[in-house]
Amino acid sequence: DSGVTQTPKHLITATGQRVTLRCSPRSGDLSVYWYQQSLDQGLQFLIQYYNGEERAKGNILERFSAQQFPDLHSELNLSSLELGDSALYFCASSVTSNTGELFFGEGSRLTVL
Amino acid sequence: EDQVTQSPEALRLQEGESSSLNCSYTVSGLRGLFWYRQDPGKGPEFLFTLYSAGEEKEKERLKATLTKKESFLHITAPKPEDSATYLCVQIAVNTGFQKLVFGTGTRLLVSP
Repeated sequence: DSGVTQTPKHLITATGQRVTLRCSPRSGDLSVYWYQQSLDQGLQFLIQYYNGEERAKGNILERFSAQQFPDLHSELNLSSLELGDSALYFCASSVTSNTGELFFGEGSRLTVL
Repeated sequence: EDQVTQSPEALRLQEGESSSLNCSYTVSGLRGLFWYRQDPGKGPEFLFTLYSAGEEKEKERLKATLTKKESFLHITAPKPEDSATYLCVQIAVNTGFQKLVFGTGTRLLVSP
């Protein structure tokens, strides 16, 4: 158990819909990262927050947005969903913002029909 | 463009058959190299951090080493439970901020 909690674990929705994925980082971790992993693909970095502020942005679509709240939990919002958005979405956390030692959650599996 | 290349893409071993996985990089301004293990449908699990050429880290049957251009993950006498995808990750510095560059991984299957 990494200490990172993601909900929901599974989500099935239709094209055009909007969903919100939630992440609670490990206790004491200030940095939260979001990654997307499509079937048999590598991890694609979406976005990073540190103590409530956006720190780095990767290949995140304009239809996607995220935020980190004062209690350090984070949400990833996916809107106008397309079939290609079906993937595992991982949240990870770390103590600092400039480390490669991340602790990943179990992921949220999104299926868009 | 910063790149991390892992080889082989897939590796099948018999239990007890030692081997090595390779990670080579073209990342400029390297600030660290990391190895992760990922089981199917699970989040990656951190294994090792390496910072300088010549550095080695060990954990059970795994040993990670680093040179100036590549890293190796040596697996000694593997067991079926070592079956997983092993990811190499590097920190790159780009336009003032750090980002993690993930390799696509080596899928390891250890047969009993």
